Amino acid sequence: GNSVTQMEGPVTLSEEAFLTINCTYTATGYPSLFWYVQYPGEGLQLLLKATKADDKGSNKGFEATYRKETTSFHLEKGSVQVSDSAVYFCALRFQTGANNLFFGTGTRLTVIP
Amino acid sequence: DAGVIQSPRHEVTEMGQEVTLRCKPISGHDYLFWYRQTMMRGLELLIYFNNNVPIDDSGMPEDRFSAKMPNASFSTLKIQPSEPRDSAVYFCASSLFGTGGEKLFFGSGTQLSVL
Repeated sequence: GNSVTQMEGPVTLSEEAFLTINCTYTATGYPSLFWYVQYPGEGLQLLLKATKADDKGSNKGFEATYRKETTSFHLEKGSVQVSDSAVYFCALRFQTGANNLFFGTGTRLTVIP
Repeated sequence: DAGVIQSPRHEVTEMGQEVTLRCKPISGHDYLFWYRQTMMRGLELLIYFNNNVPIDDSGMPEDRFSAKMPNASFSTLKIQPSEPRDSAVYFCASSLFGTGGEKLFFGSGTQLSVL
């Protein structure tokens, strides 16, 4: 079946620290991969995406590279800010078929000044 | 566009009562999704619609849950009777297939507490 596994949180970092949130997936075929972010009190919103192997998605200083050989899509940021405190969700969707996403369980990030 | 609009924002009810959650998707979107978020299980897809037709309701936990989409601009998720274990944040999301399709727009959610 299709599934997404994220590193468990919570993750607490100091401002300007380097961030990595691991995400691996299990899927048949060639899914598209996403990171969504949920700020406190809000719904999820798309952060970045990659649709094929070796693609790198990037936005707001965050990056993730689609690694087919390791079935991974780890989220990274070189220098986090307090405003990055949120819950981050890895997700996958197939290129064809239904329009639904499979989400990971989410990783809560807290950045302290 | 105002985005996906959910109501109410918060709902507190007693066990056994009927609860109705409402959602207005973004105009023109042809997919609508209902998700439930809890600490234990994370984000779960309950049901989704395409052009107002339910496509997959396998995530609906039991018969107490039902969802409708009478038209392209409105959907409801009903729980009858409600139980304390239904307490969660319920999100509605919409998207437009063919634009990359995978970009979901989420509402702000309904925080449901069943006492």
